[in-house]
Amino acid sequence: DGGITQSPKYLFRKEGQNVTLSCEQNLNHDAMYWYRQDPGQGLRLIYYSQIVNDFQKGDIAEGYSVSREKKESFPLTVTSAQKNPTAFYLCASRQGLGTEAFFGQGTRLTVV
Amino acid sequence: AQKVTQAQTEISVVEKEDVTLDCVYETRDTTYYLFWYKQPPSGELVFLIRRNSFDEQNEISGRYSWNFQKSTSSFNFTITASQVVDSAVYFCALTLLPIIQGAQKLVFGQGTRLTINP
Repeated sequence: DGGITQSPKYLFRKEGQNVTLSCEQNLNHDAMYWYRQDPGQGLRLIYYSQIVNDFQKGDIAEGYSVSREKKESFPLTVTSAQKNPTAFYLCASRQGLGTEAFFGQGTRLTVV
Repeated sequence: AQKVTQAQTEISVVEKEDVTLDCVYETRDTTYYLFWYKQPPSGELVFLIRRNSFDEQNEISGRYSWNFQKSTSSFNFTITASQVVDSAVYFCALTLLPIIQGAQKLVFGQGTRLTINP
């Protein structure tokens, strides 16, 4: 079945470490997005990409990095510069202008 | 700049009551799309509806209905005869159409946690 796969579902990171969250889609969608969700703050946009090898910063990009080397993949790296990385991370993709986005099941990152 | 505000952080009602979730958006653009999503406890967002800025017709789908009013920049969502299974967090979102081909930002509101009590 077509969809978006995020892995892992749960991730624990020690302070000072970088960690990479995986997002893969087989929907042949052009655009992909990363969001962070904290209690009471809704979804905040970290990075987004329309095409391969091109991406833009969202509202809270500091401490994060992404790559878009393949159309189907949009990994997110949470670097040690991100001071409060514990959150629920959601990846999404969509096809064309104005279409709805499809979401993965999310990765819950905890700093220990 | 684009912004979506869902002023109701949490709503709790008894089953079978009607409930309306508010969504107010801000944009200077004339062409845009609005969306509603449902997030059940599993965490994955489920798409409910899309509306473009040129279509102000209200939409009804079963117990769900949406009221889009450009004059007040609102896109409210009503659940009629609510059920326990409607309990979830609901998000309103906005996207603009780029003038030239490019990435579209998709911006969400803070979400409203809806609890339907039996």
